[in-house]
Amino acid sequence: RKEVEQDPGPFNVPEGATVAFNCTYSNSASQSFFWYRQDCRKEPKLLMSVYSSGNEDGRFTAQLNRASQYISLLIRDSKLSDSATYLCVVNMDTGRRALTFGSGTRLQVQP
Amino acid sequence: DGGITQSPKYLFRKEGQNVTLSCEQNLNHDAMYWYRQDPGQGLRLIYYSQIVNDFQKGDIAEGYSVSREKKESFPLTVTSAQKNPTAFYLCASRATKTYEQYFGPGTRLTVT
Repeated sequence: RKEVEQDPGPFNVPEGATVAFNCTYSNSASQSFFWYRQDCRKEPKLLMSVYSSGNEDGRFTAQLNRASQYISLLIRDSKLSDSATYLCVVNMDTGRRALTFGSGTRLQVQP
Repeated sequence: DGGITQSPKYLFRKEGQNVTLSCEQNLNHDAMYWYRQDPGQGLRLIYYSQIVNDFQKGDIAEGYSVSREKKESFPLTVTSAQKNPTAFYLCASRATKTYEQYFGPGTRLTVT
């Protein structure tokens, strides 16, 4: 079982649609969770941290379910510019403060 | 402008040659990381350093070496012992007491 698992997609959605991605993680002791966005052939960029109570940043909402060990990202009113790969990221090893990255979910927003 | 720079953006080498990838940051971050990304895969940790003059192996350190002589700089050498060196190499840094990492633009290495 992968430590951080995501559906690779692609998710093809029309502009204006709402789309949700889920991610599961294997280490129940993990404390920090993030969503990163990666454009084609570019570096990952931090999209948002994920807090236990859930958090929102504009059109983006992140949720954490510790009991089921999954994280979700909801994007409302999708824009063409949202097309990218979304990486679910979890800290698995507090000793080295390193992050474990999922393979990513690809989103393609169609006009 | 604060940030992380990596050079060069593209690098081509012949098999059997060592090559050094540069990573510099002016964010005053203590911790720095090197990852490798292969097509369709997640990032894998090669080496990390939490403080100057100290570094630790990550999950796939074989065939790589690093140094951390200055806070701002964390160069990665890909040696001829690395069996599949062609990949996208990403350097990241992190501020103390946080987990968020910030990435440089990456170096795409092709070895033929």
